[in-house]
Amino acid sequence: SQQGEEDPQALSIQEGENATMNCSYKTSINNLQWYRQNSGRGLVHLILIRSNEREKHSGRLRVTLDTSKKSSSLLITASRAADTASYFCATDVTGTASKLTFGTGTRLQVTL
Amino acid sequence: NAGVMQNPRHLVRRRGQEARLRCSPMKGHSHVYWYRQLPEEGLKFMVYLQKENIIDESGMPKERFSAEFPKEGPSILRIQQVVRGDSAAYFCASSPPGIGNYNEQFFGPGTRLTVL
Repeated sequence: SQQGEEDPQALSIQEGENATMNCSYKTSINNLQWYRQNSGRGLVHLILIRSNEREKHSGRLRVTLDTSKKSSSLLITASRAADTASYFCATDVTGTASKLTFGTGTRLQVTL
Repeated sequence: NAGVMQNPRHLVRRRGQEARLRCSPMKGHSHVYWYRQLPEEGLKFMVYLQKENIIDESGMPKERFSAEFPKEGPSILRIQQVVRGDSAAYFCASSPPGIGNYNEQFFGPGTRLTVL
């Protein structure tokens, strides 16, 4: 498997429900970032969690990081139709200017 | 402060032609990255540049692809003699100089290349 794989590949929920997406990676990292991509658009940075952090919140987003299991989760609470998008995790090995390694993404569909 | 600009947004080329994709980083950003996204896949790193220097081109195909970030003007990703397999969305990202930002990269809207 590749560095940064999201699970599930696709997720369909109703508005108001919570959505949880998981990301696994293989190598040691400096930080892990989550991005959102609306269909046919660019990526929007959501949240960054450093390797020495375990949990981080930003509005309705909650990210956890377990470096022992090399995994992260993104929780979106009280989902809205506007949350419909693809969500990608990206790992950063160095913490300075360098490439990000993206997973294959989770496609989230939030229905009314 | 304008975001990362990419143009064109859509580009159609016939096999064998050249494609030039442009990226203007955010103001004050000196690091530029190019990524490629195939349909239904994640982004794959291609190249990382600073002004007048290629820092990491480990993701660039060995042939037909080149990138530059001149002292003045936008970064250019150039694909010579395009083939159908080059059809993809090409995203540019930029980040500010120095340490402390933990490599948060800001992405442009992408250029969607279609090779006929």
